[in-house]
Amino acid sequence: DGGITQSPKYLFRKEGQNVTLSCEQNLNHDAMYWYRQDPGQGLRLIYYSQIVNDFQKGDIAEGYSVSREKKESFPLTVTSAQKNPTAFYLCASSIAPGQGYNQPQHFGDGTRLSIL
Amino acid sequence: GEDVEQSLFLSVREGDSSVINCTYTDSSSTYLYWYKQEPGAGLQLLTYIFSNMDMKQDQRLTVLLNKKDKHLSLRIADTQTGDSAIYFCAETPPGGSYIPTFGRGTSLIVHP
Repeated sequence: DGGITQSPKYLFRKEGQNVTLSCEQNLNHDAMYWYRQDPGQGLRLIYYSQIVNDFQKGDIAEGYSVSREKKESFPLTVTSAQKNPTAFYLCASSIAPGQGYNQPQHFGDGTRLSIL
Repeated sequence: GEDVEQSLFLSVREGDSSVINCTYTDSSSTYLYWYKQEPGAGLQLLTYIFSNMDMKQDQRLTVLLNKKDKHLSLRIADTQTGDSAIYFCAETPPGGSYIPTFGRGTSLIVHP
């Protein structure tokens, strides 16, 4: 079955440590996205990528970094510069703009990151 | 700017209808979406409506769109305990990056 796989489901970070969250999709989607979700909040966009080897900052990119070396993969690194990283992180994908207006996002099951 | 507003909580009795409301500000929105999020999971697309439609029905789900008032609603008929979840409304602008704007989500609680 096609879908988006995020791993790990739970992740713990020590102070001063960088951690990387994995996101893989086999939907042949060009666009991929990372969101952060905090309790009672909506989804806040961290980074997005509409094509391989290109990505753009979202609303809350500070303290995060991404890469897009392959169409299927869009890993997110939470750096030590992110002072409040405890949150639920969601990865999504969609067909790219220009390929049709109905472009619902497909989501993975999320990674919950906590500080030790 | 774009903004999507939803009430945070809704409590209904099992078997009743649920109506979740959403207002948006971008009058040029093309597609509007409803997503469902169960505890500890990602968002699942429930249904969507194109901006030139007023209503869409899909089994127990009915979406109503009032473009004049920029109001979107999701009605769930015969609400079941399995419908308990957070429901997100999202709008997609017609140009630019096509990145949707999400509301904060409405927590639907279904009690016996």
